[in-house]
Amino acid sequence: SQQGEEDPQALSIQEGENATMNCSYKTSINNLQWYRQNSGRGLVHLILIRSNEREKHSGRLRVTLDTSKKSSSLLITASRAADTASYFCATALSTINTGTASKLTFGTGTRLQVTL
Amino acid sequence: EAGVAQSPRYKIIEKRQSVAFWCNPISGHATLYWYQQILGQGPKLLIQFQNNGVVDDSQLPKDRFSAERLKGVDSTLKIQPAKLEDSAVYLCASSSGPANTQYFGPGTRLTVL
Repeated sequence: SQQGEEDPQALSIQEGENATMNCSYKTSINNLQWYRQNSGRGLVHLILIRSNEREKHSGRLRVTLDTSKKSSSLLITASRAADTASYFCATALSTINTGTASKLTFGTGTRLQVTL
Repeated sequence: EAGVAQSPRYKIIEKRQSVAFWCNPISGHATLYWYQQILGQGPKLLIQFQNNGVVDDSQLPKDRFSAERLKGVDSTLKIQPAKLEDSAVYLCASSSGPANTQYFGPGTRLTVL
């Protein structure tokens, strides 16, 4: 079953606007990651935020994590047409055997459309 | 640095046939993953290898799916026999360790008719 649920399922904005996507999950995690997937291409890792972090930045990306609410948000500022893609959150759980977080469970994704 | 390579990129087969996918991870990456991504959904982990050993195959339908990584480098994923519901993109990913960032290949799009 999917661990994360993204909201909204689809988002359409104009170039230059900000885009915010939310992710909710169900169980305790080691870290949460955001990935981008362009049409017909593989997944690209964007950013990782650990369970003891609350906010992280990378370029035009800002990720927040609220472990008490089991939720995360991805903000893309000053969006560009090239940002058009599906965005997935993925939670990393601790594995019993290795004791380290490895198994990624992906959400259903948010489809972002940036128009000129 | 070369990325994760997968082949073939596309495959069309009829139900009950067999199919195999190949993955070459980033050089030096000890951890390799196979995911299944059905249209409109997020990827689902099928199996995880650490070197040539299986770490997690709890979501692999073992009656029809098998995977191996004999020398701890390349990996193959096989489906035998295929069902209509196996139509999906099969993604391979690798990382330098089980807790590190995963890098994904372009995937193999499988269509079962």
